[in-house]
Amino acid sequence: DGGITQSPKYLFRKEGQNVTLSCEQNLNHDAMYWYRQDPGQGLRLIYYSQIVNDFQKGDIAEGYSVSREKKESFPLTVTSAQKNPTAFYLCASSPPLQDSLVRNEQFFGPGTRLTVL
Amino acid sequence: GEDVEQSLFLSVREGDSSVINCTYTDSSSTYLYWYKQEPGAGLQLLTYIFSNMDMKQDQRLTVLLNKKDKHLSLRIADTQTGDSAIYFCAETGAYNFNKFYFGSGTKLNVKP
Repeated sequence: DGGITQSPKYLFRKEGQNVTLSCEQNLNHDAMYWYRQDPGQGLRLIYYSQIVNDFQKGDIAEGYSVSREKKESFPLTVTSAQKNPTAFYLCASSPPLQDSLVRNEQFFGPGTRLTVL
Repeated sequence: GEDVEQSLFLSVREGDSSVINCTYTDSSSTYLYWYKQEPGAGLQLLTYIFSNMDMKQDQRLTVLLNKKDKHLSLRIADTQTGDSAIYFCAETGAYNFNKFYFGSGTKLNVKP
């Protein structure tokens, strides 16, 4: 059963701590993405990776870091430098363009809700 | 960057049609998308339209694109309570198809 998994579903963190959100996909997709969702603001792109060992900053990368050591995995670390980390975090992936009937459809995981206490 | 705007809320009665609107700024977008998000979940692709089309119909869904006004709409016929969700309009960047730009989402509430 192919898909994208994110864990945990709910995460609580004390102020000043780093925390890592997991994202795994078994869809054999090259590109992976992290978004942050806040009420009334839609999705904002944090980081994306088009290929293993390569990633680019999105629109709100400050206070976040990522790695892409394996095709299947794209973990996101929320560092203590992120001033307002409480949000719903969504991971997505997309297939190679030649495989997609819809140019670059993104497939989303179920999300992780991070709350800073 | 590109700007995609939607109204935040829409309320309809079961059985009525719903129309969700979206405006965007990038006139060179090639694909525009509608995604659906149910509470506490990720987004699922509902439908999409290629920019050289004016309309696309898919069962109860009709997408209309006015490229001159940069206006996209999603019409849901015979709206059901199960259609209650947040609907996001999105476009891909003209020169980087890996970057999506999402609207703020429209929360559709269907009253029985």
